[in-house]
Amino acid sequence: AQSVAQPEDQVNVAEGNPLTVKCTYSVSGNPYLFWYVQYPNRGLQFLLKYITGDNLVKGSYGFEAEFNKSQTSFHLKKPSALVSDSALYFCAVSPHSSNTGKLIFGQGTTLQVKP
Amino acid sequence: EAQVTQNPRYLITVTGKKLTVTCSQNMNHEYMSWYRQDPGLGLRQIYYSMNVEVTDKGDVPEGYKVSRKEKRNFPLILESPSPNQTSLYFCASSLSNVWTAASGGNQPQHFGDGTRLSIL
Repeated sequence: AQSVAQPEDQVNVAEGNPLTVKCTYSVSGNPYLFWYVQYPNRGLQFLLKYITGDNLVKGSYGFEAEFNKSQTSFHLKKPSALVSDSALYFCAVSPHSSNTGKLIFGQGTTLQVKP
Repeated sequence: EAQVTQNPRYLITVTGKKLTVTCSQNMNHEYMSWYRQDPGLGLRQIYYSMNVEVTDKGDVPEGYKVSRKEKRNFPLILESPSPNQTSLYFCASSLSNVWTAASGGNQPQHFGDGTRLSIL
């Protein structure tokens, strides 16, 4: 079965420290990978995507993600966290084998950045 | 401003009373989709639409209907709501099917701000 896992329900980081939000996936073939962020009472906002090419992808608000095919991971990173980064983060995958346009989402990880 | 608009944002209703959640996008997107978000489960796709008059079931379609008579609108219909449909619902749209290479790559989906439904 195709799936996405975000193993941490919550990640706590001090402001100014680097952050990592983990994501692993299980799909057949090469996946398209996405990160979205959700602020309270808002919809999901696109952060970045991996389609092909460089394994390190840069996105909005200083976030980046590293695609690791051998570990089937796509961890979200930021060198220096801000309090305003506190939100709910979703990893999602779009399988090549699907023509439905469906995104398969992870369970979400709450990022808490403390001053 | 490019946006996906859902209405209502909040609704409390009773079992069996038909309701419709509207979704409209102003980006001329072909692809639209409905998701429900439940704690610990992430977002799950209910229905999607590739274009006008083309709709299909997602992972959790039971109890829901949709229609796509115009490109910009994609309403979600609950004919006879039940308490297990209490959830947070999101409508999303994208330029085309997210994986189609011909689209020039994968298009991220744009989400509405959500509709919180409580079925008593």
